Amino acid sequence: DAGVTQSPTHLIKTRGQQVTLRCSPKSGHDTVSWYQQALGQGPQFIFQYYEEEERQRGNFPDRFSGHQFPNYSSELNVNALLLGDSALYLCASSLLSASYNEQFFGPGTRLTVL
Amino acid sequence: DQQVKQNSPSLSVQEGRISILNCDYTNSMFDYFLWYKKYPAEGPTFLISISSIKDKNEDGRFTVFLNKSAKHLSLHIVPSQPGDSAVYFCAAASGSARQLTFGSGTQLTVLP
Repeated sequence: DAGVTQSPTHLIKTRGQQVTLRCSPKSGHDTVSWYQQALGQGPQFIFQYYEEEERQRGNFPDRFSGHQFPNYSSELNVNALLLGDSALYLCASSLLSASYNEQFFGPGTRLTVL
Repeated sequence: DQQVKQNSPSLSVQEGRISILNCDYTNSMFDYFLWYKKYPAEGPTFLISISSIKDKNEDGRFTVFLNKSAKHLSLHIVPSQPGDSAVYFCAAASGSARQLTFGSGTQLTVLP
């Protein structure tokens, strides 16, 4: 079992560009959550996907959008990138019915916006 | 407004001694608390959790204490080992909300 995988590992973009990050959940999991971890901060919840729909959303602007595919994998899209979007983006997978402690995180994608 | 706070960015302890990591929260709706450990280039991994109906949960060398009246929880690691050196995050959740609210983390260094 490969666990939660994310791609790419690192990414460099310039202001105003758009970026797409990808996440493959742990085998058997049906729910994917995305978090943003700025330098020196804890992860901050962006949104969660289940059954290809956004189920919950944190305090992030509409520039942040996502998608979940029938195979449960997910994408995070960020439009009109700002310098402040530079962060580690973490994906976490679980079963919707699972307890909080059964949420598994991927290694993250490091996004740098210049 | 930080709802979960870890006021110590770093902590150093000697191998074999006790490590105590602290966390405070402000949202009284939180009813489940977790500690995660994070090594560089890896995602956070679940360590231990506690429900608000309990005041203590123990798992091997790790014990979490919850003081609801003070809105405070702590993680005790006894004895501390060099492999415990990592960033520790406190996280909280409430009711049916499936999102976790994290603190800013504490870098624990266990010195041999």
